[in-house]
Amino acid sequence: NAGVTQTPKFRVLKTGQSMTLLCAQDMNHEYMYWYRQDPGMGLRLIHYSVGEGTTAKGEVPDGYNVSRLKKQNFLLGLESAAPSQTSVYFCASSALRTTGELFFGEGSRLTVL
Amino acid sequence: DQQVKQNSPSLSVQEGRISILNCDYTNSMFDYFLWYKKYPAEGPTFLISISSIKDKNEDGRFTVFLNKSAKHLSLHIVPSQPGDSAVYFCAASERRATYGGSQGNLIFGKGTKLSVKP
Repeated sequence: NAGVTQTPKFRVLKTGQSMTLLCAQDMNHEYMYWYRQDPGMGLRLIHYSVGEGTTAKGEVPDGYNVSRLKKQNFLLGLESAAPSQTSVYFCASSALRTTGELFFGEGSRLTVL
Repeated sequence: DQQVKQNSPSLSVQEGRISILNCDYTNSMFDYFLWYKKYPAEGPTFLISISSIKDKNEDGRFTVFLNKSAKHLSLHIVPSQPGDSAVYFCAASERRATYGGSQGNLIFGKGTKLSVKP
């Protein structure tokens, strides 16, 4: 019973490098989300998807791109990493958008030097 | 401009006593509220929710109270246990949000770290 799985769990990047975080869910959820958590800032929505092939911007989308080519996967890309993107990233999915419980992955800790 | 505010970064409570975590919101369009619990090195997990048509929802040791006129909600944990020690996030959304719009996504507070001491 995997739920929401994020890979990798940890990554260290140099400024300017690119990388992709992968999120996979096995609950057949329509909605998927990427959040970042920073000390004293709570969880902030980066991008989200309401279905396969669709994505939309959240509260802090700059510097990130996403893709949802398959219903079960939601990818978060950093084209040119910056130290300000050092954070813990959480992927989540839900069956319903506004009242549904979000199921979160364990998080991916990214450090940009 | 924070729409969901948790003004207490931390709270310490003795085991067996009541823990009360508070949350305020500014957006009068919010009509659904949730609490999430997060342990270190894990993702948040859903704890309890409440719709704006109710003023109280109870689930075991956890009760959420909603005061719409004050735009305030609180989470009560009775009795508190050491295993309840975690960060608690309050979140809110607009159920009436249109499909595809940005409304309707959950807005999270900054969290309150609860420590329950044996």
